Formats: sequence, structure tokens, C-alpha cells
Amino acid sequence: RKEVEQDPGPFNVPEGATVAFNCTYSNSASQSFFWYRQDCRKEPKLLMSVYSSGNEDGRFTAQLNRASQYISLLIRDSKLSDSATYLCVVKSNDYKLSFGAGTTVTVRA
Amino acid sequence: DADVTQTPRNRITKTGKRIMLECSQTKGHDRMYWYRQDPGLGLRLIYYSFDVKDINKGEISDGYSVSRQAQAKFSLSLESAIPNQTALYFCATSGQGTNYGYTFGSGTRLTVV
Repeated sequence: RKEVEQDPGPFNVPEGATVAFNCTYSNSASQSFFWYRQDCRKEPKLLMSVYSSGNEDGRFTAQLNRASQYISLLIRDSKLSDSATYLCVVKSNDYKLSFGAGTTVTVRA
Repeated sequence: DADVTQTPRNRITKTGKRIMLECSQTKGHDRMYWYRQDPGLGLRLIYYSFDVKDINKGEISDGYSVSRQAQAKFSLSLESAIPNQTALYFCATSGQGTNYGYTFGSGTRLTVV
């Protein structure tokens, strides 16, 4: 079983729509959680950390459910520039990051 | 200048050749990492280093070696390249602690023919 699993998508949404997707993780001892954004074959870039109480960063909202071991990302008012692959990342100790394979989002005009 | 610089950006090499991928960072972090990315698999850790004297194998270290020449420099070598090492390779650096995210280089696209 993969340590981090994501729906690969693609999620194809019109501009202005809301899109949400989840990932699940297998290690219940995981300590930190992140969403990274990766544009086509470029380096992953940190989008936001995910906190237990949930957190927002502009149009992006992240939620963590430790009991069910899943993390979600919601994008409101989608922009064309939000088209990317979103990587769910879980940190299980001080150095080890486990990456999901990514969820592809395409925002169309 | 980029915080993490990788060279080369693209490389095509033949089976059996030795190749080195280089990485340097200006973040001042002690921790550096090498990952590879394959379609549908996510990034996988090859090697990591917490300081110049500390080198550790990741989950897929077979066929690879590394050298930490200085705090800012961490190179990855393929001693005898094989086609299934064709992938996108990323170097990364991070601060210490579980809440630190990673800063990645722009990647090296390696093709072994």
C-alpha cells in the first residue's frame, strides 16, 4: 500500500468554480502535512502547510482529519493559473517526506 | 539566483556510462536531499544528508551514490547508468524540524538510452 494516495484526476473545471480533492495517508504517526503545487515537469513548490484545525490561504483551504487519516484541499473561485498538479505530502519524522503521485487540476476558460 | 541550482537541466547518456548530477543551494540549510520522480509514482527519496559528514540512504539508493562536498553542495552519481534510471531528478534542501517544507531545484531530466 502506498504511504500517500491521491485521486490522480484530472479535475476539469470552469473558471470561477470550486474544486476539492483529498488524499489519504497510511502512517498514523505522521507529524506534518503539506500541499505542494507542481507545474508541468517543473519543481514542486510549497503551496501551504496543513494544520489540525484547518487553515486558509486566500482561495485555498486545507483540512486535516487525523482520525480518518486524510487531508483535503479546496480551491475557490478557480483561476486559469490554478491549473497544475497538486501533491499531497506527509512528513512522518524529522526528515522523511512521503509524496502522493499528485492530483491534476485543469481550469478552463 | 535560484535558491537551489541543479546542473545539468537535461542529459541524455548511454547505458553503462557514469554520470554526475550537481546541486548547490544558497539557503544556508544543512539538510539536502535527492529525489527522483517517475510518472504515477510520486517523488521517491534516493539519498539525504543532514550535514557534510552525514550521508544516508533513502528508499531507492541502489545504483546511486552521493557526495557532500560542502554545506551548499550535494552531488548524485550514477556509476553505471541503466535505462530504468531515466527519470526527473530533484535536489532539495530544508531547515531542521518537522514543520519545515522543502525547497526544490528545478530538476534534471535524465534519459538513459
